[in-house]
Amino acid sequence: SQTIHQWPATLVQPVGSPLSLECTVEGTSNPNLYWYRQAAGRGLQLLFYSVGIGQISSEVPQNLSASRPQDRQFILSSKKLLLSDSGFYLCAWNNPAMSSYNSPLHFGNGTRLTVT
Amino acid sequence: RKEVEQDPGPFNVPEGATVAFNCTYSNSASQSFFWYRQDCRKEPKLLMSVYSSGNEDGRFTAQLNRASQYISLLIRDSKLSDSATYLCVVNRANQAGTALIFGKGTTLSVSS
Repeated sequence: SQTIHQWPATLVQPVGSPLSLECTVEGTSNPNLYWYRQAAGRGLQLLFYSVGIGQISSEVPQNLSASRPQDRQFILSSKKLLLSDSGFYLCAWNNPAMSSYNSPLHFGNGTRLTVT
Repeated sequence: RKEVEQDPGPFNVPEGATVAFNCTYSNSASQSFFWYRQDCRKEPKLLMSVYSSGNEDGRFTAQLNRASQYISLLIRDSKLSDSATYLCVVNRANQAGTALIFGKGTTLSVSS
């Protein structure tokens, strides 16, 4: 069966510090991978998605970046965090080989980031 | 117009009530539709996919109206455990299986 791992679960970082969140998927090949952010009291905002190694689509201009160095690894990074980067970061995957009805997103447990 | 819009609620209903949520989407070429449930401070969990002909899973019924570009979720015989935020998800048109866009969610509170 497929599993998705995301870490750390919680993180407190000072403004201006770097960030690296990692996500890995097991039990499937060539998944689509996603990073979402949910700010306090707000909806899920799509940040990045990837359909293959080295292929990253960015949804919003910001001080975050994403990389996919391996098929089942997706990394979210920042060189200098802002207060506004605080939020709940969620990694997700779905299977591009399935029909659209059967390719819902499967989420990791999320990382709760607080920038102080 | 936003890609995916939902009434944020909250919907406050007693146990046993029937409640319905709507979600509108902006792009007529969208092909994939889902309802997710999110509990406080947790990741979203898939509730059900939405099929063109409509589909039912126990007390939950989902429907798609392509002409009016909305999907709906009906919950019958509400339980206390149904209290959560319900998220509508639609794929970005012409990119089936890639960018999936979430509405901001509708909050449901079921009371005894």
